Amino acid sequence: EPEVTQTPSHQVTQMGQEVILRCVPISNHLYFYWYRQILGQKVEFLVSFYNNEISEKSEIFDDQFSVERPDGSNFTLKIRSTKLEDSAMYFCASEGAGRQETQYFGPGTRLLVL
Amino acid sequence: QKEVEQNSGPLSVPEGAIASLNCTYSDRVSQSFFWYRQYSGKSPELIMSIYSNGDKEDGRFTAQLNKASQYVSLLIRDSQPSDSATYLCAVRGRSNTGKLIFGQGTTLQVKP
Repeated sequence: EPEVTQTPSHQVTQMGQEVILRCVPISNHLYFYWYRQILGQKVEFLVSFYNNEISEKSEIFDDQFSVERPDGSNFTLKIRSTKLEDSAMYFCASEGAGRQETQYFGPGTRLLVL
Repeated sequence: QKEVEQNSGPLSVPEGAIASLNCTYSDRVSQSFFWYRQYSGKSPELIMSIYSNGDKEDGRFTAQLNKASQYVSLLIRDSQPSDSATYLCAVRGRSNTGKLIFGQGTTLQVKP
């Protein structure tokens, strides 16, 4: 069964460093998302991406964040200068183009900023 | 007012019982509703989606939607210890970008 994959599974970085989180969505999906979940808190929407551009972003998704689909398969989230409060699980999700489609989540990347 | 509200629990039920999980949402124009299961340290896993008022059954799971009351529920029949997890209610927002708005989640404990 097709699934969303994410790498790395864990990332430890120093405050102020750049990190890139990678996702490979399900191959025939057209809509891509990043969510994050701070430990013990709810899953929060960061950004949605369709047709090679951002379709919506949350208040969390400030200038330090960017997304890219550099080729036909990968979808990346870059945090330019990490802060302590960026420590969280980051989930990529993808969705097909049908009328009542659902989002399928990858296994997540646990980011720890020291 | 929170956009999607759930009782955080924990909800504890004995094995074999029916577990009832509830969710309310604030945006009346929401059209799509989802229940995800999340085990500790893992990603959300889709259990059910529901779009129309009424009940939708899939195996031991039944989702119920009442748009007039802005209320979604999930029933789990014959609960098993493996059902112990956090259940997340998610609502597709009014924007057409597909964004999901999640509740805090309800932790379910099924005791053998």
